Amino acid sequence: QVQLQESGPGLVKPSQTLSLTCTVSGGSIRSGDYYWSWIRQPPGKGLEWIGYIYYTGSTYDNPSLKSRITMSVDTSKNQFSLTLNSVTAADTAVYYCATVPHSAMEVNSYYFDYWGQGTLVTVSS
Amino acid sequence: SYELTQPPSVSVSPGQTARITCSGDALPKQYAYWYQQRPGQAPILVIYEDRQRPSGIPERFAGSSSGTTVTLTISGVQAEDEGDYYCQSADSSSTSLVFGGGTKLTVL
Repeated sequence: QVQLQESGPGLVKPSQTLSLTCTVSGGSIRSGDYYWSWIRQPPGKGLEWIGYIYYTGSTYDNPSLKSRITMSVDTSKNQFSLTLNSVTAADTAVYYCATVPHSAMEVNSYYFDYWGQGTLVTVSS
Repeated sequence: SYELTQPPSVSVSPGQTARITCSGDALPKQYAYWYQQRPGQAPILVIYEDRQRPSGIPERFAGSSSGTTVTLTISGVQAEDEGDYYCQSADSSSTSLVFGGGTKLTVL
């Protein structure tokens, strides 16, 4: 069973860059079994899909965030990462990493089956 | 941008049936998925592809679809079912994934 663990700074200053890493255990990023995804949730609010990346480096982003997002994979460390630049207070949220099964996407099915526990990132000076 | 609409809250007594709806224009063409989120925890997938239940999810959780509305039905609601429920789907071109605003289920 895949397990995911987010890590990164809990506090980022406005206008700076938020960087998070998700470490995968119980499975290999290189297996191609999953797309590796990021989702966030502002305090007291709903969920927002940020984007996902395949082990090949192909990415799919939320159009509303696309210009500020960079995602990458490091197969040697079995990790994938998110950077979000020019952050504001509106980017304060719990950030989750999650998986989307590749086999599901082949039949036009897109769901998140494994989730990390989430990490709170606060944007404040 | 594409939106999914859920009622903000649903309340039921233990043992009753809870129904949570989710509406979206692309739902006739796209699958819907449902997540349960208890306070302070990550979401858990409870229904995928409109009506399929992942292993380990109790049979009292069921999904259905009719036109532009999908419904999560929880039969014989238990206190442990209390929490927020989110529907999720894709836009008509499958390029963007979207969540509904969430429904808070209260077990009276």
